[in-house]
Amino acid sequence: DIVMTQSPLSLPVTHGEPASISCRSSQSLLNTNGHNYLDWYLQKPGQSPQLLIYLGSNRASGVPDRFSGSGSGTDFTLKISRVEAEDVGVYYCMQTLQTPLTFGGGTRVEIK
Amino acid sequence: QITLKESGPTLLKPTQTLTLTCTFSGFSLTTSGVGVGWFRQPPGKALEWLALIFWDDDSRYSPSLKNRLTITKDTSKNQVVLTVTNLDPVDTATYYCAHRLQIGGSSFDYWGQGARVTVSS
Repeated sequence: DIVMTQSPLSLPVTHGEPASISCRSSQSLLNTNGHNYLDWYLQKPGQSPQLLIYLGSNRASGVPDRFSGSGSGTDFTLKISRVEAEDVGVYYCMQTLQTPLTFGGGTRVEIK
Repeated sequence: QITLKESGPTLLKPTQTLTLTCTFSGFSLTTSGVGVGWFRQPPGKALEWLALIFWDDDSRYSPSLKNRLTITKDTSKNQVVLTVTNLDPVDTATYYCAHRLQIGGSSFDYWGQGARVTVSS
């Protein structure tokens, strides 16, 4: 199984400031088609997960452009350019290169 | 508009079998590339993928629960059913079904509201 490791575990941020979350995989998520099979999800308090980024860097429909995904191979980053109050919750990375699909342990983002 | 909703029992005893139904609308599981996945989340813990079924009846399972899981689809009812046998209290979780985005890997762009399941004697 591909192991996904996120850091930090918790991220207190100031409203309007940038934030960055790291995700590492135990093996490369770069497919021969040139795409990285890495997604980012946000689970807001009391809600179901929502897709933010797919294939490493593609924003899902309706996702604000303050969210961006980058990285390749085994190292990935989710960046929020200016954190808004509605961005609080737990962020998960998930690899979709192979089954079993596996998630990182999550990063809890809160406003200071 | 795509929607999904999970339904099933909320309280079960150890060794019993859990049957969860995902009823969806806004897409068809007969369309090429379409899939529905099941996930779960124990209280206060991370998400875990369980199973995935595709339009062509191909299905995949989490190896850690493979012997206990069965995923099926009923295209006439727009439903996907997940069964989990031989329940244990560690199976206590919120169970989600989700629609697979038909681009690239298995990304999930629409999720149900979740079904809370408690396993306790």
